[in-house]
Amino acid sequence: DIQMTQSPSSLSAVVGDRVTITCRASQSIRGHLNWYQQKPGKAPKILIYAASSLQGGVPPRFSGSGSGTDFTLTINTLEPEDFATYYCQQSYSDPTFGGGTKVEIK
Amino acid sequence: QVQLQESGPGLAKPSGTLSLSCVVSGDSVGSDHWWSWVRQSPEKGLEWIGEIRYSGTTNYNPSLKSRVTISVDTSKNEFALNLRSVTAADTAIYYCVRRTLGETGGLNWFDPWGQGTLVIVSS
Repeated sequence: DIQMTQSPSSLSAVVGDRVTITCRASQSIRGHLNWYQQKPGKAPKILIYAASSLQGGVPPRFSGSGSGTDFTLTINTLEPEDFATYYCQQSYSDPTFGGGTKVEIK
Repeated sequence: QVQLQESGPGLAKPSGTLSLSCVVSGDSVGSDHWWSWVRQSPEKGLEWIGEIRYSGTTNYNPSLKSRVTISVDTSKNEFALNLRSVTAADTAIYYCVRRTLGETGGLNWFDPWGQGTLVIVSS
């Protein structure tokens, strides 16, 4: 199976910061990479699919980039509601998820 | 608005079978998507268990394949998970999810998700 590695596993930030999370696949997955946001006690929610396509209703401060094995999720101008855990997931073969990045308040 | 709702016992006995159902509203399990189960635990994180299409075609995580059966009931618009020979390692929050298929290139993503149900394996 394809292993997904996220970094960092956690980070501290303040409202207004620009935050970047990276995800690396153990082999090329072309553009088959999705990003999710999860808040405590809730199910994950899709933010970005196909590496860079914003899901409807998701604020444009979220963006994704990358292809092949290296991908990035960027949150421009962090808002209070963005403190959460973020996961990447490859959809190129049997789905697998990254270990998550927890974005905490500094 | 598509919604999924899990139901089933919150407790399973070691060596027994974990059984959950997921009722779908706002979409048909006969539509052109995959209907999936994903679980989450602190130890393993998010783990895809398997999925089914309306035709009955299934895909399973190889690490769980020997113990998993996923079925679909189009008359009730629901699908179900059976996980056999459970141990404490199967304790997790279980989510039912639609694996939405994009229009091109095999793209797909998990959306929407059920709220999740905690299943504890304990005697």
